[in-house]
Amino acid sequence: ELKVEQNPLFLSMQEGKNYTIYCNYSTTSDRLYWYRQDPGKSLESLFVLLSNGAVKQEGRLMASLDTKARLSTLHITAAVHDLSATYFCAVIANSNSGYALNFGKGTSLLVTP
Amino acid sequence: DVKVTQSSRYLVKRTGEKVFLECVQDMDHENMFWYRQDPGLGLRLIYFSYDVKMKEKGDIPEGYSVSREKKERFSLILESASTNQTSMYLCASSLWEGHPLSDEQYFGPGTRLTVT
Repeated sequence: ELKVEQNPLFLSMQEGKNYTIYCNYSTTSDRLYWYRQDPGKSLESLFVLLSNGAVKQEGRLMASLDTKARLSTLHITAAVHDLSATYFCAVIANSNSGYALNFGKGTSLLVTP
Repeated sequence: DVKVTQSSRYLVKRTGEKVFLECVQDMDHENMFWYRQDPGLGLRLIYFSYDVKMKEKGDIPEGYSVSREKKERFSLILESASTNQTSMYLCASSLWEGHPLSDEQYFGPGTRLTVT
């Protein structure tokens, strides 16, 4: 059974600070997704990481993938309030779930003044 | 842009009622999925479908069924709603199996279902 673990699950950080969210997964996969969810809203795709060593950046967020370590990171640089949301990583499962994604439990990020 | 729509944003039903949640996508995607999202549990897959009239059980199919009569529409059915099915339900779609980005999923806005 594929397990996807994110940490931390809750993160409160001050504006202007840097921090990293970690996503570990338990089985071989070379594709990983990061999603953002605002309160009461649906999931919005942030990054698609398709190979080992992939790095993607969008504004103050940067995601990377190390398939050998089965680890992805989402790095936040100089956080601003607008980044407050829940962030999910997701990995494809090679199982009877076919092409369904397995999601981590999410990291709730609160950026405070 | 891909658009995935769900029939209701909020729904309140009584225990024992039959409940239909509808999802429609407009991008000709082959794959469609139903998840439920609960605090502390993340997203869990209920059912998915990779073609018309095809369906596969996900991780938590008990108490649910699905219907895919047309490619663009995927319905989730609660045969006899129970209070433990109170949750946020999210529909998603993705491209055909074998496409390089087949596993990138596009989500609908969600339906918050309350069963009393």
